[in-house]
Amino acid sequence: DADVTQTPRNRITKTGKRIMLECSQTKGHDRMYWYRQDPGLGLRLIYYSFDVKDINKGEISDGYSVSRQAQAKFSLSLESAIPNQTALYFCATSDFTAPYEQYFGPGTRLTVT
Amino acid sequence: EDQVTQSPEALRLQEGESSSLNCSYTVSGLRGLFWYRQDPGKGPEFLFTLYSAGEEKEKERLKATLTKKESFLHITAPKPEDSATYLCAVQAFSGGSYIPTFGRGTSLIVHP
Repeated sequence: DADVTQTPRNRITKTGKRIMLECSQTKGHDRMYWYRQDPGLGLRLIYYSFDVKDINKGEISDGYSVSRQAQAKFSLSLESAIPNQTALYFCATSDFTAPYEQYFGPGTRLTVT
Repeated sequence: EDQVTQSPEALRLQEGESSSLNCSYTVSGLRGLFWYRQDPGKGPEFLFTLYSAGEEKEKERLKATLTKKESFLHITAPKPEDSATYLCAVQAFSGGSYIPTFGRGTSLIVHP
């Protein structure tokens, strides 16, 4: 089984709808992250969490919110989806000790029409 | 502002034609530079972590090196299965925490 899972894998939704993307991990890591990836723009950090009670905004948090339900679960919500939120979304985890590398989920392809 | 710049954006090689990808960075408080490989439609996969200037890491046909301002990913005698996007990231001190910042990646295509 994959160490980092994301659901759904694909989602098409309409403008104005609320949508939640979910991430679960079995790595036992404290740190979890949400990124979006757009062609030509690389990976941009939306939110990150260093433990269940620690949530931090990343580079592009406007229009998004997150919830850390447990050490292993980190959800990303789009309160009112808009077309420019169409992107590939990745969840990642990392340990708090070196070497700090991240482990990524398979991604969620979100289309907002 | 911390920045990570990768070049070239895209690279086409013939099988067996060695080359290098570049990642230059301007960050304060570096705590690691990372290389990842990403196949189309999949999540990035970790390759290497480098911590200090002069450090080198190798894995099969790939070798990563680090200086004070840039890192190179050398690909020796590449094969078509090396085709992927290669991402560089730096973990630097920002807003009270060490968080990773990614470059935009280099798309590598190796022709048979």
